[in-house]
Amino acid sequence: EVQLVESGGGLVQPGRSLKLSCAASGFTFSNYYMAWVRQAPKKGLEWVATISTSGSRTYYPDSVKGRFTISRDNAKSSLYLQMNSLKSEDTATYYCARDDYWGQGVMVTVSS
Amino acid sequence: DVVMTQTPPSLSVAIGQSVSISCKSSQSLVYSDGKTYLHWLLQSPGRSPKRLIYQVSNLGSGVPDRFSGTGSQKDFTLKISRVEAEDLGVYYCAQTTHFPLTFGSGTKLEIK
Repeated sequence: EVQLVESGGGLVQPGRSLKLSCAASGFTFSNYYMAWVRQAPKKGLEWVATISTSGSRTYYPDSVKGRFTISRDNAKSSLYLQMNSLKSEDTATYYCARDDYWGQGVMVTVSS
Repeated sequence: DVVMTQTPPSLSVAIGQSVSISCKSSQSLVYSDGKTYLHWLLQSPGRSPKRLIYQVSNLGSGVPDRFSGTGSQKDFTLKISRVEAEDLGVYYCAQTTHFPLTFGSGTKLEIK
């Protein structure tokens, strides 16, 4: 059974950093592109980052480019999102996603 | 960026009825490989999104055949035949043809 389990969320002050993790199981992690998608409270879905199977290629929207970094450790079947210079508008539930499966999400609140 | 325009924003339907949701993109979603990367997701209340249909018309794993997707280029439709109570939630279209990946604003399906 495919499982994606996010962790690392919480309350953080504006300007600070936070790193999210996603533990994958039930499939060959290294065979799949992976992504982070977020959802602000009561809002729609927003793509945050995508990483290739080897990690050599990464993609970001302008809203997070230069502040967020997606990475992966195929040996550990884990996906990461390093978030720096956080803003209040980054407050959201962050989902780890394969093309056909999504994790349960982890909440990030950016507030002083 | 590709803008995904989804209509209607909400629907109220009785059990057993059929409904359609429209999704129009601001650019063609045909990729250089000839495939069209337009997908439909359902977010049930309190849950993470689940992929229903991928590449316009392919049913996701375990998705009942009451769901069907049609369309091409810039104009796409999700149809739900014989709506059941478990179908309530917010439906999103999503395109993964072009970066940045983008989503429709969602259609909330309520059961009368």
